Parts: sequence; C-alpha cells; structure tokens
Amino acid sequence: EPEVTQTPSHQVTQMGQEVILRCVPISNHLYFYWYRQILGQKVEFLVSFYNNEISEKSEIFDDQFSVERPDGSNFTLKIRSTKLEDSAMYFCASSEGSGAGKNIQYFGAGTRLSVL
Amino acid sequence: AQTVTQSQPEMSVQEAETVTLSCTYDTSESNYYLFWYKQPPSRQMILVIRQEAYKQQNATENRFSVNFQKAAKSFSLKISDSQLGDTAMYFCAFSSNFGNEKLTFGTGTRLTIIP
Repeated sequence: EPEVTQTPSHQVTQMGQEVILRCVPISNHLYFYWYRQILGQKVEFLVSFYNNEISEKSEIFDDQFSVERPDGSNFTLKIRSTKLEDSAMYFCASSEGSGAGKNIQYFGAGTRLSVL
Repeated sequence: AQTVTQSQPEMSVQEAETVTLSCTYDTSESNYYLFWYKQPPSRQMILVIRQEAYKQQNATENRFSVNFQKAAKSFSLKISDSQLGDTAMYFCAFSSNFGNEKLTFGTGTRLTIIP
C-alpha cells in the first residue's frame, strides 16, 4: 500500500541551526501539508502546498519556515534558524485532491525535531 | 474560523466493551468533512473514519461508527468490542469543503483499553 515517507525519524540540532525535514508523498497525490505537534498538545496546521505554490499557511509559519518541492517527488520543510520552541513532531501529509473521496489526508510517521 | 472541541482528555474501558468518544465543532459552513484519526504510541496518525456533512447516514468502518448530529455540531466515535490495539490518542478533525481543505484538530482523547 502506498505510504507517505518522512526522513529522518529524529533530528537533533543546535539552536540557530538550519534543518530540512524531508517527505515523499504518495506518488499520485496533488496536495501536500505540514503539521506540527508539540509534545502533549494537539496537531497544528503549518502549511499547504498545491500546484507548486503555498495555498495557505498558518500564523506559526513565519519567515523562518519555507517549503519546497525540488524534484517532483520530495516535499521539504526548512527551518532557517531553529529556536527551542520549534522542538516538536512534524508530520507531512498528502491527499489525492479535493472533495469527497479524494481529500483524505495520509500522514507520514513524523520527524521528531529536538532543538538544544 | 473553525474550532474542534474534545472534552474528554482521558478515557479507559475494559477490553470487549463499547466506548464513545465525544467531539463538537463550530463552523458557519454547510458542507464540510469530519474525521477521526488514531495516534498510537508510535505517534503515526492513522485515519479511522470520515463523514461527509451532506450525508445524513452515519459512517461505519467495522467496529468503528460515528454519531453525526449536524444541527448540534456533534460528531462522536463509537468503538465496539474494544481491543487492546485500540489503545491510542484519538483526534477529531474538521476540514472545509473549500480551498486547500487543511485539517483542524481537537485536543485529543487518550483511550486506554484495560485487559
């Protein structure tokens, strides 16, 4: 069964460093998302991406964050200068399309980011 | 903006019993989608069941069913014949029918199945 793949599973970084979280969405999916879950809290939307551009972003997704689909298969989230409060689980998700039957979002296993 | 509320932070039930998890939401839209996701200790988010708001019939998936009350904006999840593998965090989520259809999640209910 196709699945969303995220790498690495755990990333440890020093405050102020740049990190890139990688995701390979399901191959025929057109909508891509990043979500964040701080330990013990709910899952929060960060950004959605469609047709090679950001379609919506939350207030969390400030200038330190960027997303890219560099080669038609990978979907990356970059944090330019990490802060302690960026420590969280980051989930990538993808869906086939919009509307009934196509808008189910499939999640990857997540990347745990630890900022020291 | 839409909001999703899960008022039961934790629940526990004996194996083989039935348990119902509550979820309420707020929206001004008439057509939307509702989901229940399961997050086991591995922390991967797994879709359990979904409901389209324009469908009056409640969705079912094997042991999982929902009670969707559109007027009351309520979307509860019933798990029948609960199993140890059902132990997980359960999140209720809302998605608009418009735009990019991002998910708005509730705070979750931690369900423990007791052997």
